[in-house]
Amino acid sequence: QKEVEQNSGPLSVPEGAIASLNCTYSDRGSQSFFWYRQYSGKSPELIMSIYSNGDKEDGRFTAQLNKASQYVSLLIRDSQPSDSATYLCAARGQAGTALIFGKGTTLSVSS
Amino acid sequence: DTGVSQDPRHKITKRGQNVTFRCDPISEHNRLYWYRQTLGQGPEFLTYFQNEAQLEKSRLLSDRFSAERPKGSFSTLEIQRTEQGDSAMYLCASSLHPAEQYFGPGTRLTVT
Repeated sequence: QKEVEQNSGPLSVPEGAIASLNCTYSDRGSQSFFWYRQYSGKSPELIMSIYSNGDKEDGRFTAQLNKASQYVSLLIRDSQPSDSATYLCAARGQAGTALIFGKGTTLSVSS
Repeated sequence: DTGVSQDPRHKITKRGQNVTFRCDPISEHNRLYWYRQTLGQGPEFLTYFQNEAQLEKSRLLSDRFSAERPKGSFSTLEIQRTEQGDSAMYLCASSLHPAEQYFGPGTRLTVT
């Protein structure tokens, strides 16, 4: 069964620190990877996508992909209290269209 | 607002009743997806449409569930004979390409 694993947390960081969120996936054929942010009671919001090995930066966010290790990470620099949310990692397989989600990591940024 | 919209946002129903949810995707998106999310879990895939064709269904989509996208625009998800285990957030997403999917606000279903 294809799985995406995340540490549920909570991950607590002080304001201004770097938050590091990690994710592993079981389907070696997965081609596309995504990070969604979900505030309590709201729907997931796409914040990053990554398709090839290496780093991808967008503002305060950096996504990292290592296909050999089947590992995806999200770094959030200069963390703000408004970043406090659950972060969902998702993978899309080679043949499929469905996204396979992890259970999410809860991030808490204290001011 | 040009994002994905869903209606209703909340639905409370009694066990055994039928419910129907509607999703309107982003206008230029030809792909539409339904997911279900329960507390503490990530979204779980239910079904996928490309234009009006339903191309993929999860084993989670039991015989009580049916989805349609008759004209390749909006979609409906119907649950017949609801059970308490159907209580969840039902999420619709759309995309232009297979990759990046954008979610609507969801419909929260409570079965009493």
